[in-house]
Amino acid sequence: GENVEQHPSTLSVQEGDSAVIKCTYSDSASNYFPWYKQELGKRPQLIIDIRSNVGEKKDQRIAVTLNKTAKHFSLHITETQPEDSAVYFCASYSGNTPLVFGKGTRLSVIA
Amino acid sequence: DAGVTQSPTHLIKTRGQQVTLRCSPISGHKSVSWYQQVLGQGPQFIFQYYEKEERGRGNFPDRFSARQFPNYSSELNVNALLLGDSALYLCASSRSTGYNSPLHFGNGTRLTVT
Repeated sequence: GENVEQHPSTLSVQEGDSAVIKCTYSDSASNYFPWYKQELGKRPQLIIDIRSNVGEKKDQRIAVTLNKTAKHFSLHITETQPEDSAVYFCASYSGNTPLVFGKGTRLSVIA
Repeated sequence: DAGVTQSPTHLIKTRGQQVTLRCSPISGHKSVSWYQQVLGQGPQFIFQYYEKEERGRGNFPDRFSARQFPNYSSELNVNALLLGDSALYLCASSRSTGYNSPLHFGNGTRLTVT
């Protein structure tokens, strides 16, 4: 079955700097890659997603890139703010299996 | 529109007991998925239901069961609780089962087994 690896497990950045979180997947049939943000004690919330026919997608300070050949995708957050501090999960979907999540990255933005 | 609602929010049970968790999807969503999230880990898939039929089952023992009702709400049942069942149980709804239907999560039920 699908396996999703996520790195790093923790990430600390200074306010205003950029943060990058990387994920790799194993199933070449995977075609949908969402990112979820989970603040402490709250539900995971979808922040951005990308489909396999697109290489990059941006939404204000957030962007996701996808490299299908290498089977990896990344989340980029620019101009980080304290409210960006949370746990971020990547996930992968192949159509034949349910959404498979990475183990998460705890991002801390230091003011 | 209301989001995905789950009840109860917190639950404390002892080993060997049984528990039922409930979920109401977003209006118009016909698919409900259940995930288990252990502290410090990503959500792990338990079940998916669509139009009242089971569409997928994760690697969980038969102590875990679920069902979906005609109004698309769902229940997750866990029998013979173990300490290791302590986790946040998340319900997520989507319009369908395809990749064009992103998952929207509820706030979860935090289950503690003592």
